[in-house]
Amino acid sequence: SQTIHQWPATLVQPVGSPLSLECTVEGTSNPNLYWYRQAAGRGLQLLFYSVGIGQISSEVPQNLSASRPQDRQFILSSKKLLLSDSGFYLCAWSRIWDSGEQYFGPGTRLTVT
Amino acid sequence: EDKVVQSPLSLVVHEGDTVTLNCSYEVTNFRSLLWYKQEKKAPTFLFMLTSSGIEKKSGRLSSILDKKELFSILNITATQTGDSAVYLCAVQNSGGSNYKLTFGKGTLLTVNP
Repeated sequence: SQTIHQWPATLVQPVGSPLSLECTVEGTSNPNLYWYRQAAGRGLQLLFYSVGIGQISSEVPQNLSASRPQDRQFILSSKKLLLSDSGFYLCAWSRIWDSGEQYFGPGTRLTVT
Repeated sequence: EDKVVQSPLSLVVHEGDTVTLNCSYEVTNFRSLLWYKQEKKAPTFLFMLTSSGIEKKSGRLSSILDKKELFSILNITATQTGDSAVYLCAVQNSGGSNYKLTFGKGTLLTVNP
């Protein structure tokens, strides 16, 4: 069976510090991978998606970036965090790249102070 | 811009009650509508609807889509405390190349014993 992991579960970082969140998927190959942010009072917002190694598409302009160094690894990064980066970050995967049926990881709660 | 509006934003019921959650949407190129359940962290997939008038059912949960009036409902019968969660509605856009999901803010359902 497939499982998706995210770490860390919670993170408190000062403004201006770097960020690295990691997501890995087990039990499947060539998954489509997604990063979402869920801010208070707002719906899930798609940040990045990837259909293969090294292929990253960005949905919203921001100071975040994503990378996919391995088939089942997806990393969300920032060089300098802003207060507005606080939120709940969810990684998800899907089998078929045009399918809305996605499987989410447990998420990372990021607080920027 | 695609838009999803869910109502009510929150709902409190007693065990055994039947509830109906609403989702209305605007999307330029409709591909599918999805329902997810988010208990504490990771949303879990419930249903994907693509055709009007065809009910999807899983146990006590059912959902139907009306593509003419641009809405969907999620019904839960004989509610249990384990149904307490945020229910998310999303629409998938088939325009462009990313088949992006746009989520609503969710309905917080609380089922009291």
